[in-house]
Amino acid sequence: SQTIHQWPATLVQPVGSPLSLECTVEGTSNPNLYWYRQAAGRGLQLLFYSVGIGQISSEVPQNLSASRPQDRQFILSSKKLLLSDSGFYLCAWSMGLGGNSPLHFGNGTRLTVT
Amino acid sequence: SQQGEEDPQALSIQEGENATMNCSYKTSINNLQWYRQNSGRGLVHLILIRSNEREKHSGRLRVTLDTSKKSSSLLITASRAADTASYFCATDGDSGTYKYIFGTGTRLKVLA
Repeated sequence: SQTIHQWPATLVQPVGSPLSLECTVEGTSNPNLYWYRQAAGRGLQLLFYSVGIGQISSEVPQNLSASRPQDRQFILSSKKLLLSDSGFYLCAWSMGLGGNSPLHFGNGTRLTVT
Repeated sequence: SQQGEEDPQALSIQEGENATMNCSYKTSINNLQWYRQNSGRGLVHLILIRSNEREKHSGRLRVTLDTSKKSSSLLITASRAADTASYFCATDGDSGTYKYIFGTGTRLKVLA
């Protein structure tokens, strides 16, 4: 069966520090991978998605970047965190075109920038 | 940008009652999905309804879709305290893309 791992679960970082969040998927090949951010009590904002190794689509211009160095690995990074980067970051995977199949989410990373 | 808007934003009901949540979206879709999120956790897929379907059932869940009104509803029958969560609709946004665009969510609280 397929599983998705996302870490760390919580992170407190000072303003200006770098960020690296990692997500890996097991049990499937060539998944579509996604990073979402959720502000407190709000909906999900799509940040990046990837349909293959090295292919990254950015949805929102911002202080973050994403990379997919391996088929089932998706990394969210920042060189210098801002206070506004605080939030709940969720990684997810799916197969096929958007909406045709379910999204499977990790348990998220709670990021607090101080 | 967010595609969908859920209504109401928050809902509080007694155990055993039915809960209805609505979702409106803006563009044409191929499919619409509903997800559940327990506090501090990732989202869990509940049900997918295709644009040529009007109604779909899964256990105590009933989803309807009205593409002419660009709206969907999620009905949870005989609610339980364990149904307390946030519920989101998601659409495929622009047709033929890999995007899933989520609504703003309904926070459901079921009182025991």
